[in-house]
Amino acid sequence: AQRVTQPEKLLSVFKGAPVELKCNYSYSGSPELFWYVQYSRQRLQLLLRHISRESIKGFTADLNKGETSFHLKKPFAQEEDSAMYYCALYGGATNKLIFGTGTLLAVQP
Amino acid sequence: GAGVSQSPSNKVTEKGKDVELRCDPISGHTALYWYRQSLGQGLEFLIYFQGNSAPDKSGLPSDRFSAERTGGSVSTLTIQRTQQEDSAVYLCASSFRHSTDTQYFGPGTRLTVL
Repeated sequence: AQRVTQPEKLLSVFKGAPVELKCNYSYSGSPELFWYVQYSRQRLQLLLRHISRESIKGFTADLNKGETSFHLKKPFAQEEDSAMYYCALYGGATNKLIFGTGTLLAVQP
Repeated sequence: GAGVSQSPSNKVTEKGKDVELRCDPISGHTALYWYRQSLGQGLEFLIYFQGNSAPDKSGLPSDRFSAERTGGSVSTLTIQRTQQEDSAVYLCASSFRHSTDTQYFGPGTRLTVL
């Protein structure tokens, strides 16, 4: 079964500390993975996708097929990074995105 | 340009009543998605439209839920005989053609069933 697991409901860090939001997936094929973010009082929006191999707002995510993970990382957290982060898996033949339960990142001053 | 819009923004209803939620996607987007966002449940996929067709209705929780899309544009999600467990934020998103294209989300409709 296709599944996305985000084990942490809440991650609290201090400003300037490194951040790693965990995402694990189960999928038998070649996955396409995404991170979506929802800032307070804003709409859910795409942050990055693994095929682009880009860094957005200092965040990066590397697909590790061996560990079936797509963790989101940032070396130095900023207060404006506080938001809800969702990892999502493209389900291939079903043509839909499967979202995880989300991790709330709180960056303390 | 205009993004995805949803109406109403908030809906409070009594158990047993029917509700209709509306989504206006970005013009030119052929794919449209409905999700349900609940505390602790994340984003739950409900249904996906390609044009006016819904090839995947697998996420609809029960036969009380239905959705349609007309003119390849506006979509409505109808919940009949609402139950308290239907309380959630219902999100609509659209993308250019495919679910791997960037999905643009609406602001959501917060449904409260008393």
